[in-house]
Amino acid sequence: GQNIDQPTEMTATEGAIVQINCTYQTSGFNGLFWYQQHAGEAPTFLSYNVLDGLEEKGRFSSFLSRSKGYSYLLLKELQMKDSASYLCAVMDSNYQLIWGAGTKLIIKP
Amino acid sequence: DGGITQSPKYLFRKEGQNVTLSCEQNLNHDAMYWYRQDPGQGLRLIYYSQIVNDFQKGDIAEGYSVSREKKESFPLTVTSAQKNPTAFYLCASSTGDVNEQYFGPGTRLTVT
Repeated sequence: GQNIDQPTEMTATEGAIVQINCTYQTSGFNGLFWYQQHAGEAPTFLSYNVLDGLEEKGRFSSFLSRSKGYSYLLLKELQMKDSASYLCAVMDSNYQLIWGAGTKLIIKP
Repeated sequence: DGGITQSPKYLFRKEGQNVTLSCEQNLNHDAMYWYRQDPGQGLRLIYYSQIVNDFQKGDIAEGYSVSREKKESFPLTVTSAQKNPTAFYLCASSTGDVNEQYFGPGTRLTVT
């Protein structure tokens, strides 16, 4: 079966750095997406990785290793507004997105 | 401003009633999707449409129906056959297969 695993919840301190991991097992791979979702709101796109390596976009970076079925989202200089759920999703061979359950990130002052 | 709208934000229905959730986009996207989100679970695909007048079932289509008569609109009907309809429903659109999906604000449906 297809599976996306990510931690259920993480806590970090304002101003610090946090890494949210995602491992996947899917039938085929056409890229990995990270989305941010504040409680009760729509997910918003953060990043897309299809090749191995690190993609940096401001305070957020995303890493992919296809051979290991692994990705992480790195958030630097954490701000209170970064408190949200972070969703990892993999596009399979049928171009369907398989979603993880999300990681709830709690930022403490 | 371009975007996706879903209405209403909150919807309450009695068991046994059909209910239709609206989704409209003015992004000129070809593809549209309906997801369901439940606590502790990833988004699950209900239906998707890649072109007008055509749509395909997702992983959990039973008890739901859709139509795609216009490019801009992709309404979802939750029928009385859906065993556990209470959930947060998200509509999304994209320009194509490998492109990111843009989401509407969601409709929280409660059936009692």
